[in-house]
Amino acid sequence: AQSVSQHNHHVILSEAASLELGCNYSYGGTVNLFWYVQYPGQHLQLLLKYFSGDPLVKGIKGFEAEFIKSKFSFNLRKPSVQWSDTAEYFCAVSGTYKYIFGTGTRLKVLA
Amino acid sequence: NAGVTQTPKFQVLKTGQSMTLQCAQDMNHEYMSWYRQDPGMGLRLIHYSVGAGITDQGEVPNGYNVSRSTTEDFPLRLLSAAPSQTSVYFCASSYSGTGNTIYFGEGSWLTVV
Repeated sequence: AQSVSQHNHHVILSEAASLELGCNYSYGGTVNLFWYVQYPGQHLQLLLKYFSGDPLVKGIKGFEAEFIKSKFSFNLRKPSVQWSDTAEYFCAVSGTYKYIFGTGTRLKVLA
Repeated sequence: NAGVTQTPKFQVLKTGQSMTLQCAQDMNHEYMSWYRQDPGMGLRLIHYSVGAGITDQGEVPNGYNVSRSTTEDFPLRLLSAAPSQTSVYFCASSYSGTGNTIYFGEGSWLTVV
């Protein structure tokens, strides 16, 4: 079955702390992997995506993610978070058509 | 460029009423979909379409109906609203094929009382 697991449901960090959000997927065949962010009251926006090539992907606002095929993982990282990173983060996987999302991780960054 | 447009943004329904959430995109995307977002459950796919005249069910299709008569529009119909359908609904679209970014609408907040 196709699925995406995000293990951290709520994360609270202080500004300047490092961030790593876990994402594991189960999907047969070639996958494309995404991280989306949803700021309070807004719709989802793309942070970064991987579909081939360098498994270390850099996105907007200093975020990056590493695709580790052997672990079926696509963890999101940021070396130093800011208060403005407070949001909900969703990992997603897609094949040709369907996009499957994880349950999301709510990040709160304390100023 | 408007992107993905959803209406209405807010709606309150009584149990048993029907309504249609409208979704339109102006990017000529083949793929369109509807998700519902509930606390602790992330986004769950309701229905999707890979082109005009072609629709398919997602994870949680019961109680919802869709059609795709044009490339631009993908309305979601609630046949007989139930309190369990209180949720935030997002329409999304993308080009078909691998690696394409999915674009979301602003969301529709629906409350069923």
